[in-house]
Amino acid sequence: AQSVTQLDSQVPVFEEAPVELRCNYSSSVSVYLFWYVQYPNQGLQLLLKYLSGSTLVESINGFEAEFNKSQTSFHLRKPSVHISDTAEYFCAVSRSSNTGKLIFGQGTTLQVKP
Amino acid sequence: GAVVSQHPSRVICKSGTSVKIECRSLDFQATTMFWYRQFPKQSLMLMATSNEGSKATYEQGVEKDKFLINHASLTLSTLTVTSAHPEDSSFYICSAREGTGRNTEAFFGQGTRLTVV
Repeated sequence: AQSVTQLDSQVPVFEEAPVELRCNYSSSVSVYLFWYVQYPNQGLQLLLKYLSGSTLVESINGFEAEFNKSQTSFHLRKPSVHISDTAEYFCAVSRSSNTGKLIFGQGTTLQVKP
Repeated sequence: GAVVSQHPSRVICKSGTSVKIECRSLDFQATTMFWYRQFPKQSLMLMATSNEGSKATYEQGVEKDKFLINHASLTLSTLTVTSAHPEDSSFYICSAREGTGRNTEAFFGQGTRLTVV
């Protein structure tokens, strides 16, 4: 069975500061890794994913995540956050690459302060 | 990305009544839909997977007679919580996917907050 742990339930940070949202997973088989973002009153949106190849993956809005197999981690980072990044972030794993059955972490609320 | 719409976004119902939640894919045909549930301060948990025209597959521990899922068309799936009780109060969210090929993304609805009083 797979499981996902997001170590921080809330992360407050000032605008333009760097941020890291932590995600660790456990699995006895190979998995695919995803980060989703949920803005207030909206559905979850896929932010980025690791399927294979380069362990560093990037999103179009400046986030990046690095797959670390030895540490079973997939931490999300951004060097400089904006107020508009305030949202709930979910890490997820799947045995399938097509985002079918997802196993989610508990979520991390990123609060960007001016 | 594609749009998935859930309705209602919030619902309050009395204990013992049934509640229906709709999940619609607005601009694509969803061959597969997934229903998740999230309790406060917990992860989203997959409840069931439904393929158009066939019976839903429920995850272990989810009562299929209590959570009725219908996926009668390629754009609509419904989740009916029957004889709802306060412990069923939760955030229900669906996702929909067109096809099953590698890298096919599932898109999420905005979720439904159910409160049973």
